Amino acid sequence: GQQLNQSPQSMFIQEGEDVSMNCTSSSIFNTWLWYKQEPGEGPVLLIALYKAGELTSNGRLTAQFGITRKDSFLNISASIPSDVGIYFCAGQLPGTYKYIFGTGTRLKVLA
Amino acid sequence: EADIYQTPRYLVIGTGKKITLECSQTMGHDKMYWYQQDPGMELHLIHYSYGVNSTEKGDLSSESTVSRIRTEHFPLTLESARPSHTSQYLCASRKGQYNEQFFGPGTRLTVL
Repeated sequence: GQQLNQSPQSMFIQEGEDVSMNCTSSSIFNTWLWYKQEPGEGPVLLIALYKAGELTSNGRLTAQFGITRKDSFLNISASIPSDVGIYFCAGQLPGTYKYIFGTGTRLKVLA
Repeated sequence: EADIYQTPRYLVIGTGKKITLECSQTMGHDKMYWYQQDPGMELHLIHYSYGVNSTEKGDLSSESTVSRIRTEHFPLTLESARPSHTSQYLCASRKGQYNEQFFGPGTRLTVL
């Protein structure tokens, strides 16, 4: 079946540093979604990307839809302690209503 | 802001019990989804629905069943819970022509 490889698996960074994470697959997707999840809660949608090459920002977050439609990345600039959580990418399979989720990037920010 | 609700938030039950996890959304979304997630791990689709009276099994085999009698309501039922069902169950929804999927807060199920 389809798989989304998300990296890095975890990150420990200092407050104020920039963060970059990405998702890659052998499959093509027609939408990429990026979520943040905190312990005991459901994922919260951060950014949605709809076409190849699209670059979208949401505050300190920037995400891009890869040209090949097989990858996407998320950047967080000037990290703060409340950025702590697990970040997931999700790709929508063409012609379906189904999403495949990445394995998550666990972010810890040291003050 | 998405309005999608799940109850209960936490449930501890004994083996063999029948349980229903509730999911409701007030946004009129036609597509609804159930995912299973072990702590800190990726989400796996177990059921989805295109609309009323339309349900499909997801990629992860599950002993649960779902129903979609009303647009806003998508309950998940386990006829006989087992310890292997211990997990977090997340409900999500999206509107037909938009690809943004919104999640509820989840139900943490523990089967003893």
